[in-house]
Amino acid sequence: DAGVIQSPRHEVTEMGQEVTLRCKPISGHNSLFWYRQTMMRGLELLIYFNNNVPIDDSGMPEDRFSAKMPNASFSTLKIQPSEPRDSAVYFCASSLAGGRKNIQYFGAGTRLSVL
Amino acid sequence: GQNIDQPTEMTATEGAIVQINCTYQTSGFNGLFWYQQHAGEAPTFLSYNVLDGLEEKGRFSSFLSRSKGYSYLLLKELQMKDSASYLCAVPNYGQNFVFGPGTRLSVLP
Repeated sequence: DAGVIQSPRHEVTEMGQEVTLRCKPISGHNSLFWYRQTMMRGLELLIYFNNNVPIDDSGMPEDRFSAKMPNASFSTLKIQPSEPRDSAVYFCASSLAGGRKNIQYFGAGTRLSVL
Repeated sequence: GQNIDQPTEMTATEGAIVQINCTYQTSGFNGLFWYQQHAGEAPTFLSYNVLDGLEEKGRFSSFLSRSKGYSYLLLKELQMKDSASYLCAVPNYGQNFVFGPGTRLSVLP
């Protein structure tokens, strides 16, 4: 199994630009999570989906952030317009809800720098 | 809601034993997870406790006391590669996790 796949691994952009992060969950998993990690705030949940449906988006910072999951094998997190304070590592994780322990498996992350 | 506390940093010597503590407050308990995260990498699953007691897995063990809202991760025979951050996490509701701030462990030769 290839694990959770995220792209790009690194993204450098200028303030005001649109940024799209992509995630392919582990095949067969039915829950997908987007996290943001910074030194100051640690690992924070932004949004999670179950069976492609957004369940909890209370962690999404503001309207500049949006996430979609058009099918079971693909999700995007979009920031428009981006700001320097959005600089962080963004992780995607997936799990099998109802499966053994609901363990979440993380992708390698996207390191975003907004200049 | 959930509230999780861990020490920020710990230092130990290669070959030693170290215990990393985690205290939590939760409105409903459905297990506690430990993850390891090396610098610049993704968190990876280490252990899961849902019942009180010690779960042993090789050099790593994890303990849980539900009545005290307390868990610890015990690392034996420390190796340099164990230098990493260790995060405890508790499910919030559904499949959602709340992660603690993490403990950065430095293993010295």
